[in-house]
Amino acid sequence: GIQVEQSPPDLILQEGANSTLRCNFSDSVNNLQWFHQNPWGQLINLFYIPSGTKQNGRLSATTVATERYSLLYISSSQTTDSGVYFCAVVLGTGTASKLTFGTGTRLQVTL
Amino acid sequence: GAVVSQHPSRVICKSGTSVKIECRSLDFQATTMFWYRQFPKQSLMLMATSNEGSKATYEQGVEKDKFLINHASLTLSTLTVTSAHPEDSSFYICSASRGAFYEQYFGPGTRLTVT
Repeated sequence: GIQVEQSPPDLILQEGANSTLRCNFSDSVNNLQWFHQNPWGQLINLFYIPSGTKQNGRLSATTVATERYSLLYISSSQTTDSGVYFCAVVLGTGTASKLTFGTGTRLQVTL
Repeated sequence: GAVVSQHPSRVICKSGTSVKIECRSLDFQATTMFWYRQFPKQSLMLMATSNEGSKATYEQGVEKDKFLINHASLTLSTLTVTSAHPEDSSFYICSASRGAFYEQYFGPGTRLTVT
């Protein structure tokens, strides 16, 4: 099956720093989402980004589908950004469509 | 918009008993709902996909007789863990989608502990 690898696995940042998280996938996909899982376990949709670049406040994401990777940029990080970031790729079509999650990046933002 | 709720948020049960977890889409109709399982410090693993009014499709290795899924309406899906054992202890998360090509919205999760 498809492999979805994220790097780095763990990241510690000081508040105010910028970071780039990477998601590599081993096969062509129909779509890609980025999520933030907060310390209480809630998954929050960040981006739905099959290709191109999107921005939302301090976050932006770029997917280059032809090269099978996506990047998530976090600028001016805050302690509330702590948690685990997952990318997930969409495989299949129609009722067979489903998400395969990446390995995750655990982010800790310190004061 | 696109809010998904789960109930209960946390449950402790004795080995051998059954537990039901509800997943509701509060402000949209979900033609497709998904159930995931997450062990500590690991990623989410899809257990099954359900479409309203039809039987769930289970992922390889997931026992359908143990994890009963019912998608009774466009806003409600339930997961019943039957004859639970300690190894079933995990974080169970549902998601809902308006359709196959739409984004999934996730519930807050249910932490199950089997003693």
